[in-house]
Amino acid sequence: AQSVTQLGSHVSVSEGALVLLRCNYSSSVPPYLFWYVQYPNQGLQLLLKYTSAATLVKGINGFEAEFKKSETSFHLTKPSAHMSDAAEYFCAVSDRGDDKIIFGKGTRLHILP
Amino acid sequence: DTGVSQDPRHKITKRGQNVTFRCDPISEHNRLYWYRQTLGQGPEFLTYFQNEAQLEKSRLLSDRFSAERPKGSFSTLEIQRTEQGDSAMYLCASSAGQGGLEAFFGQGTRLTVV
Repeated sequence: AQSVTQLGSHVSVSEGALVLLRCNYSSSVPPYLFWYVQYPNQGLQLLLKYTSAATLVKGINGFEAEFKKSETSFHLTKPSAHMSDAAEYFCAVSDRGDDKIIFGKGTRLHILP
Repeated sequence: DTGVSQDPRHKITKRGQNVTFRCDPISEHNRLYWYRQTLGQGPEFLTYFQNEAQLEKSRLLSDRFSAERPKGSFSTLEIQRTEQGDSAMYLCASSAGQGGLEAFFGQGTRLTVV
């Protein structure tokens, strides 16, 4: 069964610094991959997704992620962190031909002033 | 269309009671998902529907849990004989179809079993 592993349950970065949230997937065939964000007391919101086109995917709020098949990774990055980026981020995977979406445990991003 | 809506937003129940949650997906979305999320964890898949057909149910899901989507529109999730371990946020999501399409989530129903 497909799964994703998010390294680091908490990540702290200074405002203006690079954000890097790590996600590795396990699937024999390149799957669909997603990053969702959850702000306090709000529902999950899609940041970006990889379906099969460009391996570098751009999302909302300046985030992007790169699909690397050789590393089975889909890390999320943002060049310059903003205080408003403080939230919980979830990587998710869905096998092709299977609509079920499986989530990682999440990474809480803290932004330091 | 205002998105996926869930009712109630909060539910407190005594152990042993039955509870039922409702989810109204985005209209025309044929996929509907139920997840459970506990503090500090990611959403855990429970079950999903394609129209009115329940296509998969998590093996982790107790027989006390049942879900329906009778006319392929709204869905209900019932928990019988609730236990304290059932306390969690129950999330509903819908999508327009397969092929890596985005799932849109509701705000969730927070269940507290006392």
